[in-house]
Amino acid sequence: DIQVTQSPSSLSASVGDRVTITCRASQDISRWLTWYQQKPEKAPKSLIYAASSLQSGVPSRFSGSGSGTFFTLTISSLQPEDSATYYCQHYNEYPYTFGQGTKLEVK
Amino acid sequence: EVQLVESGGGLVQPGGSLRLSCAASGFTFSNYAMSWVRQVPGKGLEWVSGIVAGGDDSYYADTVKGRFTISRDDSKNTLSLQMISLRDEDTAVYHCAQWNYSGSFDNWGQGTLVTVSS
Repeated sequence: DIQVTQSPSSLSASVGDRVTITCRASQDISRWLTWYQQKPEKAPKSLIYAASSLQSGVPSRFSGSGSGTFFTLTISSLQPEDSATYYCQHYNEYPYTFGQGTKLEVK
Repeated sequence: EVQLVESGGGLVQPGGSLRLSCAASGFTFSNYAMSWVRQVPGKGLEWVSGIVAGGDDSYYADTVKGRFTISRDDSKNTLSLQMISLRDEDTAVYHCAQWNYSGSFDNWGQGTLVTVSS
């Protein structure tokens, strides 16, 4: 089974900062990777699919890149509402797996 | 509006069984692959099981393989998860989720809590 490993597990940054979260797959998954944002007591919300495609309605400060085994989610200018936990998830094949999550605090 | 409503959670002893259901509405259920995803409160997401549109193929995480069975009834717009030989570590909120073929779980239910404890 393909595993995905996220880092860091948590980070704290200030409004206006640029932050990057990484996700590594245990084998080549091409571009079959999605990024989610989850706020407390809410269902996850898809931000990016196919590694770099922005979901409709998601602010353009969110971007994704990568292919193969290394992927990144970048938030170009942090806003207070970006405080959340972020997950990557591969869908190269079943079983799908999620990364462990990155808890982002916006100071 | 897409709605996914889970039911069937509760308290069960280790080794026991439980059947979860997810009632779907607001979309053509039969056209979509569906999955169960669980989350221990305060912890991360874990994909549990998935079933393709039409129901011919189903898939499981290694942690539940042989103990959980996913099924769907397209005539009733219902997704189910039969769970047997439950363990403490199966305790979590179980969500059903609709897979969008562009590449993401776009719609999620609110979840049903399963607690495995003696």
